[in-house]
Amino acid sequence: SQTIHQWPATLVQPVGSPLSLECTVEGTSNPNLYWYRQAAGRGLQLLFYSVGIGQISSEVPQNLSASRPQDRQFILSSKKLLLSDSGFYLCAWTAGTGNRGLRQPQHFGDGTRLSIL
Amino acid sequence: QKEVEQNSGPLSVPEGAIASLNCTYSDRGSQSFFWYRQYSGKSPELIMFIYSNGDKEDGRFTAQLNKASQYVSLLIRDSQPSDSATYLCAVKKNTGFQKLVFGTGTRLLVSP
Repeated sequence: SQTIHQWPATLVQPVGSPLSLECTVEGTSNPNLYWYRQAAGRGLQLLFYSVGIGQISSEVPQNLSASRPQDRQFILSSKKLLLSDSGFYLCAWTAGTGNRGLRQPQHFGDGTRLSIL
Repeated sequence: QKEVEQNSGPLSVPEGAIASLNCTYSDRGSQSFFWYRQYSGKSPELIMFIYSNGDKEDGRFTAQLNKASQYVSLLIRDSQPSDSATYLCAVKKNTGFQKLVFGTGTRLLVSP
């Protein structure tokens, strides 16, 4: 069965420090991968998505970047964190493309709660 | 107009009652519809998905889809206090990347 791992679970970082969050998926190949942010009491905001190695699309211009160095690895980074980067970061994956992909749900990791001081 | 709209709630129901959660969407090209449950401080977990008009039942949960009215709902029968959570409606359309668009969620409170 497929599993998604995300770490760390919680992170406290000072303003201006760098960030690296990692997500890996097991049990499937060539997944579509996503990074979301959920601010306190708010909805899910799609940040980045990837359909393959090295292929990254950004939904919202911001202080963050993403990379996909391997098929099942997705990394969210920042060179200098802002206070506004605080939130709950979620990685998700889905399988399939075309009509089959249309019916595939997204499955979420456990998330990383990021606090910026 | 938001692409996916949900009443933020809270929706309060007594234990054992039926909870009805509603969601409307704006894009008629939407093809697939998903319901997620999110407990406070946790990540969303998939409850159900539906593609065709009508009802789909899974245990205590029933998803209802009406594409003509652009309306999807989730019924929870015999509600339990453990069902207290935020329920997210998500919609996928067959354009480009097939992005999943989420509503902001409805908070459900089931009182013992």
